Order: sequence, then C-alpha cells, then structure tokens
Amino acid sequence: AQKVTQAQTEISVVEKEDVTLDCVYETRDTTYYLFWYKQPPSGELVFLIRRNSFDEQNEISGRYSWNFQKSTSSFNFTITASQVVDSAVYFCALSEGSNDYKLSFGAGTTVTVRA
Amino acid sequence: NAGVTQTPKFQVLKTGQSMTLQCAQDMNHEYMSWYRQDPGMGLRLIHYSVGAGITDQGEVPNGYNVSRSTTEDFPLRLLSAAPSQTSVYFCASSRTVSNYGYTFGSGTRLTVV
Repeated sequence: AQKVTQAQTEISVVEKEDVTLDCVYETRDTTYYLFWYKQPPSGELVFLIRRNSFDEQNEISGRYSWNFQKSTSSFNFTITASQVVDSAVYFCALSEGSNDYKLSFGAGTTVTVRA
Repeated sequence: NAGVTQTPKFQVLKTGQSMTLQCAQDMNHEYMSWYRQDPGMGLRLIHYSVGAGITDQGEVPNGYNVSRSTTEDFPLRLLSAAPSQTSVYFCASSRTVSNYGYTFGSGTRLTVV
C-alpha cells in the first residue's frame, strides 16, 4: 500500500509565484518521521527537512516553509517567490519508528519555474 | 569527505548479462540501502543493510543480490539483467534514518537492451 501520496504530478509556475506541494501519508505508528528531498535536473537527491510526529510546529527556512498537520496526515511544502533554480522534482518521504531503516517515498512532484 | 560514492555513473547491459554496481561511503554509517527510481514511482527500496554482515530485502528485491562485508561497501549485483531493470539506481547511507534521513550517492543510470 502506498504510504506516501503526492497527488500533484507536475506544477508549472511563473517566477515569483508561490507554489505549494501536497503530501499525504499513511501510517499506524505513533512515532514516525517525515522528510522532503529535492532532485534538481542534475539528478542528485538533496535533503531539505525532517519532522518527527511529535512536533507539529510549522517551519520556515528562507523561502521554504512546511505545514505539518497530523489531523489530516499531511506535510505540505511551500516555496514562496519561486525562482528558476527551484525547478526540480520534490519528494516527500516517511520513516516509521517500527521500520527505521526504511524511507518510503512518494512518486514526486515536478516543479517547473518559468522565467 | 567523499560521502557516498557510486560507480559507474552510466552502464548499458545486454539482456542476460550480470554486473555489480559499486557503492562506498566514508562516514562510518551503519545503515545502507539501494533504491531504484522509475518515472512516476518515486524511489523504491531494493535491499538494505543495518550493519556489516546484515542484509535484508526491501520492496523490489527480485533479480538483485547484495552483501555487506565491511561497513564502507555495499555492492548491488544484477544476476541476469532484464529490460525491466532499466532504471536509475541510488545507494544511500545513514547513521540513523529516522534522525538524519539518508545521504544519497549521485546515482547509476542503467539501461538493459
């Protein structure tokens, strides 16, 4: 069963627009960890953020912000004032406390920022 | 630190050939994993290891073998390549996945013809 769902396959925006990427997860564990990774056109996977299930505080890092809501099992990611360099595939991932060796990834959302 | 090093970066195989994808990390991480990335499917776990001498299967292990004789190295062997194994392969390592996530190598793009 898919544990991480990223319903948006592709998003295209014009530079300086905000873009929000949705991530919905499924787990029976009470302890779990959520991640976002970025994969630019060069192909490497870059870690962006980690949250644990006990910390619902939203986080902002520069133009990036994350909204974690346990009530809706969502961990959404917003890029404010997007730039061309934000063009990439973004993956949401889940690690469960009972299987802490494993990251389960969503299918990814391709973001294209046009100048 | 080199991080996670994968070789080769590109490879073309004929159906039925075997080969080994190499992975090495210099961070003394206990956890290592192999993922494959296919369009529209994200990354799927092939095999993983929680320490030297310990390996286990992930979601899509068929057609692949691994071993972990040292903490540093975690090679992935394709036993008899099939076109369905055409993919991008990522090796990853971590101190603890829940706390740090995985650090990924740069990937190997494999084409089986």
